Parts: sequence; structure tokens; C-alpha cells
Amino acid sequence: EAAVTQSPRNKVTVTGGNVTLSCRQTNSHNYMYWYRQDTGHGLRLIHYSYGAGNLQIGDVPDGYKATRTTQEDFFLLLELASPSQTSLYFCASSERDRVSNERLFFGHGTKLSVL
Amino acid sequence: KTQVEQSPQSLVVRQGENCVLQCNYSVTPDNHLRWFKQDTGKGLVSLTVLVDQKDKTSNGRYSATLDKDAKHSTLHITATLLDDTATYICVVESNYNVLYFGSGTKLTVEP
Repeated sequence: EAAVTQSPRNKVTVTGGNVTLSCRQTNSHNYMYWYRQDTGHGLRLIHYSYGAGNLQIGDVPDGYKATRTTQEDFFLLLELASPSQTSLYFCASSERDRVSNERLFFGHGTKLSVL
Repeated sequence: KTQVEQSPQSLVVRQGENCVLQCNYSVTPDNHLRWFKQDTGKGLVSLTVLVDQKDKTSNGRYSATLDKDAKHSTLHITATLLDDTATYICVVESNYNVLYFGSGTKLTVEP
């Protein structure tokens, strides 16, 4: 069964803290994405990748790094967390070239609070 | 500038009633349009994907339309249930798998 698993589900840190959000997909998808979701905004793209070792900058990348270590694993790094990064973070994976309702999958989200 | 606009922002209906959610967008090119359901604090679950210039889909009590000429989509929910309470998000997919998200319509179904 296709799946995108995020960890942790919840994280609290302090300003200046170092945080790593993890995402693993078992869909054999090439594309993986990190989004943040804030009240009043749609999901906004932070970084994405189309394969192991690849990284593309999204729409709101400032303050974030990302690394795609394998096809399955995509990490989002906040090296100096700030309160403005308090948000709900979603990871997603997708497959190009096939159009189906099951082509795009999201994780359950990671709620990050920066105090 | 917001490229995907959804309306209404929020909607309250009684169980059993029908409702219609709207999505207008300016994304070009507009390859596909998807509707997702998001329960509070949860991930997004795909309801349907629309592809053609003028497309219609049906998935149980959910049906959707797309008119690429008008850059407009609708999501119809028939005979709403309490479990339909959620935020419904319209997503337009452009080239290179780039996705544009609406802010969502928050639907509340009351007994």
C-alpha cells in the first residue's frame, strides 16, 4: 500500500534550536516535497526533489535546508529555528507520467512549535 | 498574487443537504486539477483528479467538474454526512509537477 510517513508527529523547540523533520515514502515515487500550511494560506512549497541527491528550491525556502538521501527519504532541516516557522509541515510524494487518483500522496503532517 | 481562489471560505450545512464548492484559478498551464479532503490537523486525502479541457468525475457522493477555458472547477457533495466535516482543498498541477494550492473551504455538517 502506498504510504508517506512523517516523523515526528509533533515537535516543540526553542528559538535557535536545531530541528530535523523526516519523511519516508514507499511508493517508489521520484518526486518528494516539503510544504508548510498556515492559517489563511494554501500549502506553500519549501523544497522539493526529483531523486536521490537532487534538491530544488520552492517558494518559501528561507530558513530551511533539505536533503534527499535516498529515493525513499527526504529530510527538512531547520538549523536556527524561529517562531515564524511554527507551522504544520507536510511531506508528499508523486509520480510523473501516470495520471491516476492515487498518484499524489501526502503524509499526516508534523506540527512544529518554536517557542 | 493568489493563483487558486476557493469559495466560499467556510460553509455550514445540515446533514443530508447537498453543497457545492468553487475553485477559480489563473495557473498556466493547468495540466490537472485535484480536490483533496483534509480533516483537522491531518494529511490530505485525494478525492478526485480532473484532466480534460471539460471534465467531469464522480466518486460516490462526490462529483466534480472542470472547465479549463473558464479556469473553474466545482466539487459537489451530495447528501452530506457528519464525517464530511473537513477542509476541502483545490490543487492545480502545472508543468514539472509544480502544485498550486487553494486555501480551502471549511465545511461543517451539522446534525
